[in-house]
Amino acid sequence: EDQVTQSPEALRLQEGESSSLNCSYTVSGLRGLFWYRQDPGKGPEFLFTLYSAGEEKEKERLKATLTKKESFLHITAPKPEDSATYLCAVLPSLSNDYKLSFGAGTTVTVRA
Amino acid sequence: GAVVSQHPSWVICKSGTSVKIECRSLDFQATTMFWYRQFPKQSLMLMATSNEGSKATYEQGVEKDKFLINHASLTLSTLTVTSAHPEDSSFYICSARGWNTQYFGPGTRLTVL
Repeated sequence: EDQVTQSPEALRLQEGESSSLNCSYTVSGLRGLFWYRQDPGKGPEFLFTLYSAGEEKEKERLKATLTKKESFLHITAPKPEDSATYLCAVLPSLSNDYKLSFGAGTTVTVRA
Repeated sequence: GAVVSQHPSWVICKSGTSVKIECRSLDFQATTMFWYRQFPKQSLMLMATSNEGSKATYEQGVEKDKFLINHASLTLSTLTVTSAHPEDSSFYICSARGWNTQYFGPGTRLTVL
C-alpha cells in the first residue's frame, strides 16, 4: 500500500531562519511526487512536480529535492508570507486514474 | 494557466435539503476530476474520482447515493450533497487533472444547520 509520511507535523521559524520539511514515501514505482501549499480556508496551490531521484526544482525561497525514498522541501530565509501547510503527494507508476496519495502535511509558521 | 474554480465558495443550508457544488476548469480541459473532503487541521480525504461521460468511482466508505457526482463536460463536474445533515458540514475541494498534476479549486465551505 502506498504510504506518505511528512515530518515534522508543525514547524515554527523565525523570519530568515532556513529549514527543511521531509516527505518519506513508500510506493510501488514512482510516477511523480508533488508539493502543494495550502493556506487556511483555501484549496491547495501547486508548487512542484519531481519525477526522478536527483531532481531539484526551485521557486523563490523554496527548493524541492527528491531521492528514491524521500523528498525535502527547503525553505531559505523564510518570510511570514511563507506561513502555510505544505502537502506532499505521490502518484504511483501503476495508477491509471491519476489518484494522488497525500501526506498529512507540515504546518509552517514564520514569525517576524 | 491551470485555474480551477468552485461555486459557491460557502453555503449554509437546513438539514434535509440538497446542495450542489460546481467545479470548473477554466483554461484547460479535464477528463478526470476529483472531489475531496477536508476536516479542520486534517489532510485531504479523497471522496471520488469522476471521468467525463462516465460514472464516478467512489472511495470506500463514501455513500454514492448521498454524494452525487456528475461530470457532464470536459470543464465541469458537480457534487450534490443530498438530504444534507449536520455531519456533512465540511470543506469540500475539487481538483482537475492537468498535464502534470492535479490542480485544485479554492474549496466550498458547507454548513448544515
